[in-house]
Amino acid sequence: DAKTTQPPSMDCAEGRAANLPCNHSTISGNEYVYWYRQIHSQGPQYIIHGLKNNETNEMASLIITEDRKSSTLILPHATLRDTAVYYCIVRARWGKLQFGAGTQVVVTP
Amino acid sequence: ETGVTQSPTHLIKTRGQQVTLRCSSQSGHNTVSWYQQALGQGPQFIFQYYREEENGRGNFPPRFSGLQFPNYSSELNVNALELDDSALYLCASSPEGGNEKLFFGSGTQLSVL
Repeated sequence: DAKTTQPPSMDCAEGRAANLPCNHSTISGNEYVYWYRQIHSQGPQYIIHGLKNNETNEMASLIITEDRKSSTLILPHATLRDTAVYYCIVRARWGKLQFGAGTQVVVTP
Repeated sequence: ETGVTQSPTHLIKTRGQQVTLRCSSQSGHNTVSWYQQALGQGPQFIFQYYREEENGRGNFPPRFSGLQFPNYSSELNVNALELDDSALYLCASSPEGGNEKLFFGSGTQLSVL
């Protein structure tokens, strides 16, 4: 599985959009981009995934560049409950999840 | 709510002992995977079970073993515990074959003294 690069931390003001970048320059054609988050003392929670098209669900939007070498997770209106570690993972459809260190997002009032 | 439950929530063992951790998968999910998460790091894949058979394994020694039962619940067994085995152990379940989303439990915190 390809590896990803994420900033170690970022802050976001409550009510503002949070844009979380991820680089995955060695992604293969059959690998999806997944995002999970982990709130302190809980297991990871699925957020969204995509192959090449942009995706949106009730939690977030995922923007994947045309060359698929990077992506951005957008939390449209961050709340205090969005404070968590966010993991960007590339994964073949039947493959294991390989977590990196993720991005620690702190949402401040 | 994910519906994945793990027991116990916390456990303390001494070096050399053996431990069994348990996981009940979400209803309708036949695939279970286990992850180890050391403090300050992301979870690391241990292995996955699909319909009672192991069908994928990460870079963990044979003293890490598992089982999946006909009701798709699962156990993780670790023999000859080492201090470095201290970690949060996460179980995740998913529908057929492990595709798409994984649903994680809250984990078992294992401390090896």
